[in-house]
Amino acid sequence: DQQVKQNSPSLSVQEGRISILNCDYTNSMFDYFLWYKKYPAEGPTFLISISSIKDKNEDGRFTVFLNKSAKHLSLHIVPSQPGDSAVYFCAATFQAAGNKLTFGGGTRVLVKP
Amino acid sequence: GAVVSQHPSRVICKSGTSVKIECRSLDFQATTMFWYRQFPKQSLMLMATSNEGSKATYEQGVEKDKFLINHASLTLSTLTVTSAHPEDSSFYICSARQGSGGEQYFGPGTRLTVT
Repeated sequence: DQQVKQNSPSLSVQEGRISILNCDYTNSMFDYFLWYKKYPAEGPTFLISISSIKDKNEDGRFTVFLNKSAKHLSLHIVPSQPGDSAVYFCAATFQAAGNKLTFGGGTRVLVKP
Repeated sequence: GAVVSQHPSRVICKSGTSVKIECRSLDFQATTMFWYRQFPKQSLMLMATSNEGSKATYEQGVEKDKFLINHASLTLSTLTVTSAHPEDSSFYICSARQGSGGEQYFGPGTRLTVT
């Protein structure tokens, strides 16, 4: 049973426009959510996170929104840049799990110049 | 920022042999290290969690006798794939965390190909 799902395997967006990546989860115990960016043959790099006590967190071009009632979060990247082309993973965890991360399947983003 | 290295970055081995992958935290002490596996076009799947000085905790379905994990120091954890088979070919990634609730920092990964 996949507890964290990213239903869009890929996304193509024009440079300068907004990229919106979605993530859904099923485990209501998750209380901390993270987004990672990953290039091929490299490890993931942390982008932004959000605690379940918040509904929005912003860091530069990246904003994460959390809708707890819908068990849904999204990552907005604006404006999108060609260097943003990568695979983005959302991950979720909760303290009682020792902060082990459960990853979604990833969304491949292609930003076209 | 925190840096985690892995060695080797790429390894090819013959079926039946064993391969050791090292994960090091270069500028911090990692009380906990995690080992993940990623198959092509799939997500990262947690294999096991290792705490320094104690036995690793394996996720369901991961054979502890096949994937030996040693976390002998606060800066080094090793994953040994024993009697490797072609289906073990994958991208293995480690992450390291300082403290119980700190951020996880990921290594660059190791591409294992078993022929």
